[in-house]
Amino acid sequence: DSGVTQTPKHLITATGQRVTLRCSPRSGDLSVYWYQQSLDQGLQFLIQYYNGEERAKGNILERFSAQQFPDLHSELNLSSLELGDSALYFCASSVAAVADTQYFGPGTRLTVL
Amino acid sequence: GQQVMQIPQYQHVQEGEDFTTYCNSSTTLSNIQWYKQRPGGHPVFLIQLVKSGEVKKQKRLTFQFGEAKKNSSLHITATQTTDVGTYFCAGQSDYKLSFGAGTTVTVRA
Repeated sequence: DSGVTQTPKHLITATGQRVTLRCSPRSGDLSVYWYQQSLDQGLQFLIQYYNGEERAKGNILERFSAQQFPDLHSELNLSSLELGDSALYFCASSVAAVADTQYFGPGTRLTVL
Repeated sequence: GQQVMQIPQYQHVQEGEDFTTYCNSSTTLSNIQWYKQRPGGHPVFLIQLVKSGEVKKQKRLTFQFGEAKKNSSLHITATQTTDVGTYFCAGQSDYKLSFGAGTTVTVRA
């Protein structure tokens, strides 16, 4: 158990819909990262927040957005969902903003029908 | 942008044999991290290399960071069934961590 929690575990929805994935980092970690893992794309970095502020951006689509709240939990919002958005979404956390070990949560499996 | 290439994509190994997975970056890295993801699980941090030419060992696993800090390798000796999974390298540059596509390892008993 990494100490990072993610909800829900599974999510099944239809194209065009909007969903919110939630992540609680390990106690004491200030950084939260979001990743998308699909079979044909590997592990893709989406975005990082550090202490409530956006720190780094990766291959995140405009239909996706995220935020980190004052209690440091984070949410990833996915809108106008497409079939290709079906994937495993991981959240990871770390203490520092850069060059630090990342602890991954169990992931949320999103299926878009 | 930064790209991290990892080879091979798949590695089928006889139990007891050795194998190596390689990671190459298009840019110089500040550090490189290795993660292991068991089937159905999430990536778990293994190690971080920071210095040019650094070599670190964890039991049967040997990690190496290239002199130019653009490549890395993971060598596993005497492979066991517990080594099954996908091994990812992740290179850090400009505050971004880029993951390789991973090497998925299967072991024949």
